[in-house]
Order: sequence, then structure tokens, then C-alpha cells
Amino acid sequence: QVQLQQWGAGLLKPSETLSLTCAVYGGSFSGYYWSWIRQPPGKGLEWIGEINHSGSTNYNPSLKSRVTISVDTSKNQFSLKLSSVTAADTAVYYCARDVEMATIVARWGRFDPWGQGTLVTVSS
Amino acid sequence: SSELTQDPAVSVALGQTVRITCQGDSLRSYYASWYQQKPGQAPVLVIYGKNNRPSGIPDRFSGSSSGNTASLTITGAQAEDEADYYCNSRDSSGRVFGGGTKLTVL
Repeated sequence: QVQLQQWGAGLLKPSETLSLTCAVYGGSFSGYYWSWIRQPPGKGLEWIGEINHSGSTNYNPSLKSRVTISVDTSKNQFSLKLSSVTAADTAVYYCARDVEMATIVARWGRFDPWGQGTLVTVSS
Repeated sequence: SSELTQDPAVSVALGQTVRITCQGDSLRSYYASWYQQKPGQAPVLVIYGKNNRPSGIPDRFSGSSSGNTASLTITGAQAEDEADYYCNSRDSSGRVFGGGTKLTVL
């Protein structure tokens, strides 16, 4: 069964760069997209971006200028960097596998599984 | 990018049926997935595709779709179903979440 384990710094100062890594255990790394998702305290989920095993990325347009997602296939890991953080970037950050499916008439996907989440606080 | 709209809050009497909806243009060409989130926990997938439940999700959870609206139905809501529910889809920019619906079981 696939499991995701994530880690990274939990306390940052404004203007610093957030850096998180997610490791994939127990399953294939290729053939999927791997996403980062965040949730500010008391608010909803926000998709940050995704990467596949060959390094192809898609980013949320609202964060694109500050986000870099990279992959290390030799370690089955993918990472998130978010530059110039502010208090508005305080959130629980999750990594997740995105399983995409398509037929001639339909497309769908699902985030499953998820990492355990990392609380990142930005404060001076 | 496109948006997904959910009612902020819905309530249901214990044992009754409740429908949580999600509206957005992307849903015309992409089935929504649905996530349940309880306080302090990571989201859990409950429905994906046309109407698929992951292993371990009770069969009182079901999904449907029509036009630009996806629905999550809980038939015979239980106290443990009280949670936040989020829909998700994909548009031209990538993935997008609805704002979430807080379900209260009375």
C-alpha cells in the first residue's frame, strides 16, 4: 500500500523560502501526478501544483510566480519550494498522489493517498 | 481558472438523507472527487469518478453528476459523518477545490 511521508521546516520568517519534501513508499512513482495542497487555519483546501515522474509540472496560477515543484525519481521523492513567504502562507501543507483516469467519454481523478500534513507558520 | 462552488453549511437529521452539491464549468467534462475532513485530520477520499467508493468507505456515500453540478449524497447520515466536505475537479490550469461544505448532523 502506497504511503506518503513528508517533512520540512515548520517555522519561517517573512521573505524566506518554504521547502518541503514528500517521499513515496510502497508503490510505483511513475504513471501518476504528485501534488501539493495547503490549508490555512480555519479555511479550505487550496491546490498548489503538481509534477509527474518526468518532471512535467502544473501550478496554481495564483501561486505560479513563487512555486517550484521538483522530483527526484532515484529516491521516489518530490519537493515544494515557495519563495518570499508571508503570513498568508501559514497553512498545513499536504502532499498527495493524483490518480488520473480517462475513457473516450469521461475523465476523472482522485487524490489518494495523502501525506500526514506539515504545519508551516510564517512569523517574524 | 474556473471555480467550484459549494454551499458553506448543510445540516441533516440523524438517519436522514443529505445531498451536498458542487457547481462549476469544469464538471461538464471532468467527474468530481469528494473528500471528507474531520478536525485536525487530513482529508479522506470518499467518492471519485462516476460513483466509486474507496475501500472502507460506507455505501451510504454515493456520487452523481449532471451538467455542471456534482453531488455527494449520504443516505442515512450518521453522527460520524459530521465533517467538512470538499469537491475537486480539473480545469485547464490544473486542479481546483470547492470552498467546502460543513455538514452538521443533528
